[in-house]
Amino acid sequence: GAGVSQSPSNKVTEKGKDVELRCDPISGHTALYWYRQSLGQGLEFLIYFQGNSAPDKSGLPSDRFSAERTGGSVSTLTIQRTQQEDSAVYLCASSLGVAGQGNIQYFGAGTRLSVL
Amino acid sequence: QKEVEQNSGPLSVPEGAIASLNCTYSDRGSQSFFWYRQYSGKSPELIMFIYSNGDKEDGRFTAQLNKASQYVSLLIRDSQPSDSATYLCAVKDTGRRALTFGSGTRLQVQP
Repeated sequence: GAGVSQSPSNKVTEKGKDVELRCDPISGHTALYWYRQSLGQGLEFLIYFQGNSAPDKSGLPSDRFSAERTGGSVSTLTIQRTQQEDSAVYLCASSLGVAGQGNIQYFGAGTRLSVL
Repeated sequence: QKEVEQNSGPLSVPEGAIASLNCTYSDRGSQSFFWYRQYSGKSPELIMFIYSNGDKEDGRFTAQLNKASQYVSLLIRDSQPSDSATYLCAVKDTGRRALTFGSGTRLQVQP
C-alpha cells in the first residue's frame, strides 16, 4: 500500500476484555515497529520486527501484551485482560530495515484504544 | 534509562519569525536523530533526519547536531501558522532499531 495502514482507528473496550490491533506496513518494508502514545506524552517503544522475527521486544510492558507478524507483512498486537492504563494511541511504523536512510520510520494513523 | 529531553512548551512565535526547538539526549552512542511533526490527533510525520555533526538544511527547516554536547535542534525559518504542531525529537541508539522519543515541544505560530 501507499502508507502504513492500521485498524481499527478507534476501539472502545471494557476492562478485562482482549483486543487485537492490526498493522499493514508499507509494501517492501521489512522492519515493523509498535509504539504507544499516552495523552500528552511522547511515543513509547513496544516491539520491533525484522521479517517475522522480533529481535527487540523490550518495550512490552507486561505479559498481557504480545505481537506477531506473518508473511513478513501484517502484524497484530494483542492485549489480553485490558486495564484502564492501557488506554492510549497505538502507533505502528515501518522502515526498509537497512542501514542509513533505510532506518527512517514511517507511521500509520494509529489505533486509539479506550478501556472503560 | 536512555533519555531524550525536550521543553514541552508551548513555544509561541509570531508569523515570519524563526522558531528554535531544542533536544538533548543522554546516550553518547546515539547515531541518528530525527524530527517528527505531529498535528493534534494525527500520526507523526518525518520532517528532518541528521546523522553527522553540523547543520543540515531542507527548505525552511535546518537541523543542527552537536554530538559533543549531546544536543540536536530544529530551526524553522519564516514560521507559518500551519507550522503550529508538536515537534518530536527521536534518537536511534547504537545497535538498536527502536527510536527513543522526547515528549515533544508544542509550537504555536501566531498570525
